Amino acid sequence: NAGVTQTPKFQVLKTGQSMTLQCAQDMNHNSMYWYRQDPGMGLRLIYYSASEGTTDKGEVPNGYNVSRLNKREFSLRLESAAPSQTSVYFCASSATTGSKYNEQFFGPGTRLTVL
Amino acid sequence: AQSVTQLGSHVSVSEGALVLLRCNYSSSVPPYLFWYVQYPNQGLQLLLKYTTGATLVKGINGFEAEFKKSETSFHLTKPSAHMSDAAEYFCAVSLFGNEKLTFGTGTRLTIIP
Repeated sequence: NAGVTQTPKFQVLKTGQSMTLQCAQDMNHNSMYWYRQDPGMGLRLIYYSASEGTTDKGEVPNGYNVSRLNKREFSLRLESAAPSQTSVYFCASSATTGSKYNEQFFGPGTRLTVL
Repeated sequence: AQSVTQLGSHVSVSEGALVLLRCNYSSSVPPYLFWYVQYPNQGLQLLLKYTTGATLVKGINGFEAEFKKSETSFHLTKPSAHMSDAAEYFCAVSLFGNEKLTFGTGTRLTIIP
């Protein structure tokens, strides 16, 4: 099992450019999440998806869109990148039943710099 | 709504000494509580979790945490620090029936040789 995978690992954008961060999990989890991590602020939830076909805003959704393509994949799109979106982005997934209920499994992260 | 406060953004301990990382939470209903560890340039890894039942929870790498409802705390401890424990540690809270986690701001643990 690869767990949660994210691509790319690093990305540099210019202000106004767009990009999509990809995330996939092979654990058959229903729930998936996108977080951003900034120094001194912990992890903040951007969007989450409780099941295929559903998405909801988290704490900091402005400037982002998401797509739950199928049960495995959950992508995050920046339509017009801004320097304030420079951050490390993490994808996570979790089971909604069973002994590992609510345990979130994280990907390795994408380091994004917006110039 | 729930929230988490981690006291001390940086903690330094000597190798072999006790590790104590503090976490306090607020929640209107009984919470689920978690500790995650993040090694440099990696994602987060679950150390331990409390859901219901026994209030002393043991996790990986010799860490444990105790849920104290009266103090709304879930402090993380390890009797003897090892150099490999150097990392950032995050406390998190969720509510039953809601998978979303609310994270604290993290504590960076440094081990002094």
